[in-house]
Amino acid sequence: NAGVTQTPKFRVLKTGQSMTLLCAQDMNHEYMYWYRQDPGMGLRLIHYSVGEGTTAKGEVPDGYNVSRLKKQNFLLGLESAAPSQTSVYFCASSGTGRGNTQYFGPGTRLTVL
Amino acid sequence: GNSVTQMEGPVTLSEEAFLTINCTYTATGYPSLFWYVQYPGEGLQLLLKATKADDKGSNKGFEATYRKETTSFHLEKGSVQVSDSAVYFCALFTNAGGTSYGKLTFGQGTILTVHP
Repeated sequence: NAGVTQTPKFRVLKTGQSMTLLCAQDMNHEYMYWYRQDPGMGLRLIHYSVGEGTTAKGEVPDGYNVSRLKKQNFLLGLESAAPSQTSVYFCASSGTGRGNTQYFGPGTRLTVL
Repeated sequence: GNSVTQMEGPVTLSEEAFLTINCTYTATGYPSLFWYVQYPGEGLQLLLKATKADDKGSNKGFEATYRKETTSFHLEKGSVQVSDSAVYFCALFTNAGGTSYGKLTFGQGTILTVHP
């Protein structure tokens, strides 16, 4: 059972380049999330989706776009990468219901030079 | 807004020592509370959770009790092992305005290192 998978695992970009991070889940979850993890700051929510075709902004959405064209996939895009976007990115998914557990992917380590 | 404050680390213990990692929160509404663990190079895994006051979550020898009166959810383990070395995150979940979805708010994480 794969759970939540993320590609790529590592990436190095130059300032101004673009890229897309892919998240896939095989648990038929309705909700999906993108977080970034920075030292000493825990995880902060970038964007989330409550179903296929829907997206919404989290705490730190600026500089990122997302799409959820299929229920099992949630894409995070950086149109013009900046050094401040150097971080570890985690995708998560959850079912419906109060306080439903979020399941996390292994993360993508992104460095922007 | 919602926030989670965790005990500052890093925490360094000898094997078989007692562990406490403090976590307090502020939240609107009635949150669910979680502890997640992150082993080196991996994503976050749910360790335990509690969804209402006085509930005790437990897993792998770890325990935490949802204390509404003190807005706390402290993590404890009676005898730690080297394999418990990881980063521990306290988090709360609140629903978005009457809907069934919502968001997790995380503490900053506490690094635990256990020596043989």
